[in-house]
Amino acid sequence: KNQVEQSPQSLIILEGKNCTLQCNYTVSPFSNLRWYKQDTGRGPVSLTIMTFSENTKSNGRYTATLDADTKQSSLHITASQLSDSASYICVVRGGTYKYIFGTGTRLKVLA
Amino acid sequence: DSGVTQTPKHLITATGQRVTLRCSPRSGDLSVYWYQQSLDQGLQFLIQYYNGEERAKGNILERFSAQQFPDLHSELNLSSLELGDSALYFCASSVGRQGWGYGYTFGSGTRLTVV
Repeated sequence: KNQVEQSPQSLIILEGKNCTLQCNYTVSPFSNLRWYKQDTGRGPVSLTIMTFSENTKSNGRYTATLDADTKQSSLHITASQLSDSASYICVVRGGTYKYIFGTGTRLKVLA
Repeated sequence: DSGVTQTPKHLITATGQRVTLRCSPRSGDLSVYWYQQSLDQGLQFLIQYYNGEERAKGNILERFSAQQFPDLHSELNLSSLELGDSALYFCASSVGRQGWGYGYTFGSGTRLTVV
């Protein structure tokens, strides 16, 4: 069964600290993996997209990694800011028109 | 502003009623996708339209229907509403048929509350 599991479900960190969010998937075939940031009550915004051949991709303070062998991805946030408080959603594309969404990790950054 | 416009932002209605949600895609985008996000649930793909024609169907109930008009805006019709239909409904758009790459853009959503 095609699934995307994210951990932890929620996370609270202090401003300035780093954190890492995990995404494990069992989607097959694999086309690409995206990380989205979703502010409360708003639509998801794309952070990164990674294909099979990419191991690491950065977007400012966000760095995503992908291990296609173990079917794991992580999103590392460096020097967190209050504005990073949001849900982070991992989405795996498995073939044409098939997008499998994780339920997200809710991150809260405290001052 | 993502360029994808959804209206209304909020909607409260009673069980058994019918509502219509509207989505205007980003300029130049031909594909429109509808998603449902229930409380504490992941986004669930409902349906995709490309240039006026249905392209792909996900977990869309028979009580729900959608269409894309010649000007490319799309409407999602929800009928015989139940309490469990309360959710955020998102629209996304992309240039091509498969939503490849960064061109896949979400709107801000319509929050539907069924009472």
